[in-house]
Order: sequence, then structure tokens, then C-alpha cells
Amino acid sequence: NAGVTQTPKFRILKIGQSMTLQCTQDMNHNYMYWYRQDPGMGLKLIYYSVGAGITDKGEVPNGYNVSRSTTEDFPLRLELAAPSQTSVYFCASSYSQPVAQHFGDGTRLSIL
Amino acid sequence: KQEVTQIPAALSVPEGENLVLNCSFTDSAIYNLQWFRQDPGKGLTSLLLIQSSQREQTSGRLNASLDKSSGRSTLYIAASQPGDSATYLCAVALLMEYGNKLVFGAGTILRVKS
Repeated sequence: NAGVTQTPKFRILKIGQSMTLQCTQDMNHNYMYWYRQDPGMGLKLIYYSVGAGITDKGEVPNGYNVSRSTTEDFPLRLELAAPSQTSVYFCASSYSQPVAQHFGDGTRLSIL
Repeated sequence: KQEVTQIPAALSVPEGENLVLNCSFTDSAIYNLQWFRQDPGKGLTSLLLIQSSQREQTSGRLNASLDKSSGRSTLYIAASQPGDSATYLCAVALLMEYGNKLVFGAGTILRVKS
């Protein structure tokens, strides 16, 4: 059982570069989420999706974009990387709401 | 705005002790509350989920209670083991127009010494 898979696990970016964090789940879950976790803090919701073609903003969406073209995939796009986006990014999914969310292992992103 | 606070921020105990982790939230209009475990460099693993209509949930050596009216939850770990060492996060679920949103506390870092 793969569950929620995030790639890459680690990445270093220069200021102004762009990149896409990949997230895929094999549990046929409708709901998918992106969170960021800063050191010593809880997770904060960036974007979420309730199904293919439907996305909405969370608490901290500025500087990010998402798309959901399939049930399995929910990529997160950083267009112009800034040092404030240095964080650990977690993708999660759930079958419906509100039930337990399943998390990936995270992507550790540093922007220098 | 919902805020979640966890106390203590860190805890170190000898193996075998029973311990309690605390979580408080400012708005009682929650749908459920979850306790997660996070190991270093890993994602979150859901330990217990308590629906807003429930008072407690148990799984093995873990017991979580919920008092919505006072905005408090506790996670009780019995007979702690070194393998319990991890960060424990509490999160409350708020209903949105679509889906639900989890608001997390900053976590309690637990170290169980052998």
C-alpha cells in the first residue's frame, strides 16, 4: 500500500525559481490537502481539493497554485520562490469529510 | 479565529511512566478532534479521532478525551515506552463549504528514556 506519495523529499531552490511539488494517492480519495509546517509550529492549510477540477484556498495560499486534473494527483506549484516559503510541505488525503486524513512523508524545501 | 494550544511543549519521562498531554482550543464549534504522531523526518500518523459528540476514544495504551464545552482534550499514554518518543500533534476539524479544515497545535515533543 503506497498511500500518499510526495516527491521530491528534499529540494533547495534559489530565490525567484519555480518548482512543482508532486503528490499522488492510490486510495481513491476525493479530498486532498496541502499543508506547510514551519519549525516549532503546527501545520497550516495552503490549498485543498474536494475532487477533480475543484480546488479552494486554505489559510496561507499566497505564492502557491494548485490543480486537480485527476483523482490521484494534486500538485502544488511555487511560481517565484521566496525565503519565506522555506518549510516542510505535507500532502494529505481523505475519502470523505470529516474523517481521518492520511499524510505523505513531506517535502523539505529550502529557498536561499 | 480558532487557535489550538498544546502544553507542555516538551516532556521527558522515564520508561514505564503514565503521562498526559494537553490540548486546548478557543472555539468549541468543532466537528472532531484528532491526535497525531509525527516521527522525525516523517509525515503524520493519525492515532485517535474523537467526534464532537463523543467523550473519549481508546486504542491500546492510548486514551483521548474531549470536553468541547471547556475547549480541552487530553491524550493519556499508559506505561510509556522508548518507542513512544515522537512529536504529538492535536488538531481540530472545522467544517468548510467543501471538506473540512484541520487547525493544528504546535505539538508536544515527547522523549521516553530507557
